[in-house]
Order: sequence, then C-alpha cells, then structure tokens
Amino acid sequence: QSVLTQPPSVSAAPGQQVTISCSASSSNIGNNYVSWYQQLPGTAPKLLIYDNNKRPSGIPDRFSGSKSGTSATLGITGLQTGDEADYYCGTWDSSLSVYVFGTGTKVTVL
Amino acid sequence: DVQLVESGGGLVQPGGSLRLSCAASGFTFSSYWMDWVRQAPGKGLVWVARINGDGSNTAYADSVKGRFTISRDNAKNTVNLQMNSVRAEDTAVYYCTRDPAFRVLTIRFDYWGQGTLVTVSS
Repeated sequence: QSVLTQPPSVSAAPGQQVTISCSASSSNIGNNYVSWYQQLPGTAPKLLIYDNNKRPSGIPDRFSGSKSGTSATLGITGLQTGDEADYYCGTWDSSLSVYVFGTGTKVTVL
Repeated sequence: DVQLVESGGGLVQPGGSLRLSCAASGFTFSSYWMDWVRQAPGKGLVWVARINGDGSNTAYADSVKGRFTISRDNAKNTVNLQMNSVRAEDTAVYYCTRDPAFRVLTIRFDYWGQGTLVTVSS
C-alpha cells in the first residue's frame, strides 16, 4: 500500500516560515502531480496547491509547493495565527489506481 | 458559486446499509469527476471512491471495494454513495468533492462539501 509520510507537526513564530515534507513510499507516484490541502479546525479541507506548485485563485503567494522525485514540499512564509491547521498532501497512485493522502501535519504558530 | 451539500449520514448498525447523497450546484455537473473522501474522528483524510462525468468509470479504495457503490444522476446533479455491510471502521465524516482535472495525473479536489457524519455502532 502506498504511503505519503509527513511530519506529525511543525511550529514557528508569527512571521517566520515553515516547510512540510511529503515523502512517498513508492515510485509509483513519482510521475504524478501533488496537491496540498489545508484543514482549519472543525472545517472541511481546502485546496491550497495543485500540480505540485500551482495556487488556486484566492490562495496567497505565502503558500508555495515544489516536488522532486518522490518527495514534495509545502512552504508557508510570513506565518499567521490563521495558518494554524492540519495540512495534507495527496496524489494519485497510478499502479494501484487509488488516490493517496499524506499522514497529515499540524502547524502551530507559537 | 459552486456548492456541494451532503446528506444521509447518521447512526447505522454494523452490517447495515446507508446511502449518502451530495447535491451539486453552480457548475456543469456532468463535466466533472466527483469523489468521496472520509475522515474518522481525530484521524486523517482517506479517499473512498470516484466516478467520472457520465458515470461509466469508477474507482474505489481497497477498504470499501465490494461494499460501497458510487453513482451519479446528472439530471438531478447528485452523486451518491451506497454503503453496504458497514463496519465500525467506516465511522467517519464523509466529504463530497469535485475534481476538475482532465488527466488522472493531475487529480485534485477543488471544492468540498461540509461533510456528513456516519456512525457505525450497535
């Protein structure tokens, strides 16, 4: 079974930056694009990044994405208290024909 | 505005059945893949199933294959999830999502409903 591994938590002070890694257990997803989702407490997830590094309309450029091989990274700069949330990566596993979400990362603003 | 509104959640006994529905509005429904994603209490997101625009192509997570069936009614702009032989581990909030991608390589979920809670318990 494919797994996307993320750190359980990251934290930083307001104004600082954080990066969240998303590492695949299988090369089956290496050719596919990664998306990132933000889930604020008690709400439905929201699309933050798609196609590895594209931002939907309305998402500030403080959020950025990148991918190299079977790993992806979400960056958040100028951290705000409103960024406290759970963040998930996700991608399609072409070999298993299933969509896989990452294990999730909780961002805390100190 | 795009809206996805789920309904049909509730309490169901192990081994029982439940049918979830998602009413879509604000976009050309038949042009989009639609997916269901679930989240057990305090846990992460798990993809459940997807269906293409005309309903001819579906895919399922291994954990629900053979028990759950995704379908859609493009005349009513609804996507459904028929849940049979439910288990305690199916307890979760179920989200309806829209996928605007034309290629499987670029799947993403750009709109989400508010979710409906399914509790499997005797």
